Amino acid sequence: KAGVTQTPRYLIKTRGQQVTLSCSPISGHRSVSWYQQTPGQGLQFLFEYFSETQRNKGNFPGRFSGRQFSNSRSEMNVSTLELGDSALYLCASSWGQGSSYNEQFFGPGTRLTVL
Amino acid sequence: EDQVTQSPEALRLQEGESSSLNCSYTVSGLRGLFWYRQDPGKGPEFLFTLYSAGEEKEKERLKATLTKKESFLHITAPKPEDSATYLCAVQAASSGSARQLTFGSGTQLTVLP
Repeated sequence: KAGVTQTPRYLIKTRGQQVTLSCSPISGHRSVSWYQQTPGQGLQFLFEYFSETQRNKGNFPGRFSGRQFSNSRSEMNVSTLELGDSALYLCASSWGQGSSYNEQFFGPGTRLTVL
Repeated sequence: EDQVTQSPEALRLQEGESSSLNCSYTVSGLRGLFWYRQDPGKGPEFLFTLYSAGEEKEKERLKATLTKKESFLHITAPKPEDSATYLCAVQAASSGSARQLTFGSGTQLTVLP
């Protein structure tokens, strides 16, 4: 069974640009969550999508947004990039939305560098 | 505010030298506590989920336990391939989603041959 895939794996952008990252969950998984990982802050929750709807959002500015498609694939977008947005962006998928489906499986991440 | 603290930050062991990693947490109602392993340049790999105090789970050389305030990840007779960063995360009742995890900063484990 294929795992969570994320594309691209590496990105280099300059300040002020915008970027879109993609995540394909494990087949059959309907919930997708996004996390930001930095050396200083560790792993921080960005948002979660289920059935094409954002279900929860972490404490990040509005420059961070996302969406989910009918096939459960998800994208996240960061506009007006800042140097501090340099991070590993991780996508995690799980089967459903109920509290019984707590186990999340992470993709390899997209390494974003903002110059 | 939910908090997760892991100790030690780094741990170096000789192959075969057993030890434990600690994860202490402060949450307003624990839905679940998770252990992940992360290798350099990769995403976290799921290891265990614990839901209630007294619960234990084992996988190969790893055993996770949970109390009302902390969790331990015991590593028995580790091998060099166990070297990784071990992350602890909690799902709190106060979170808006059952999948919103609060992570600790991790313990970087190095097992020397």
